[in-house]
Amino acid sequence: GAVVSQHPSWVICKSGTSVKIECRSLDFQATTMFWYRQFPKQSLMLMATSNEGSKATYEQGVEKDKFLINHASLTLSTLTVTSAHPEDSSFYICSARWGLATDTQYFGPGTRLTVL
Amino acid sequence: GNSVTQMEGPVTLSEEAFLTINCTYTATGYPSLFWYVQYPGEGLQLLLKATKADDKGSNKGFEATYRKETTSFHLEKGSVQVSDSAVYFCALSDYGQNFVFGPGTRLSVLP
Repeated sequence: GAVVSQHPSWVICKSGTSVKIECRSLDFQATTMFWYRQFPKQSLMLMATSNEGSKATYEQGVEKDKFLINHASLTLSTLTVTSAHPEDSSFYICSARWGLATDTQYFGPGTRLTVL
Repeated sequence: GNSVTQMEGPVTLSEEAFLTINCTYTATGYPSLFWYVQYPGEGLQLLLKATKADDKGSNKGFEATYRKETTSFHLEKGSVQVSDSAVYFCALSDYGQNFVFGPGTRLSVLP
């Protein structure tokens, strides 16, 4: 099946710093990418949807200035957590979709962010 | 809006026991239904799916049937293994729409 990678797989940073997480579709062109956040022992919460070359659409309650999303190419989307704080510590999962059918969407392995 | 409800976990079973994880959904359209599995420290992996009523999805001994009349998509496996220990998410998605996930059910299988 299609492969979506994330980098890094885990990151530890100090409070106040910014962290960038990359999401790549390795063997297909992703017209749409999604970013999810997962708190410990909880389900995935959709943060934002991004289409290549356009601004991301954020879900209600997600701060767009804090979670910067860039989808500059059909194979790469980045999530930058700006001025990270301990409450931003979480598991961030991206997914990529090449069509509109649901079985064209694939999930990345996730990135665990810990903010000290 | 669309929503997914799953049975609360954790579920603890002995190896070779029968597994059922209940999932019901609410949707305005005719969504596709999915079960995803998340092993410790990893992302989501698609376990199985069904795209229309009465379809049965199956994979690795797991199966689930899309029941429109009861709006359910229960996950079953006849004989679980220790390696099945993970968190299982029921999810739905309408064509072109985002996924809606259930809260997840943690399964622990003891040897």
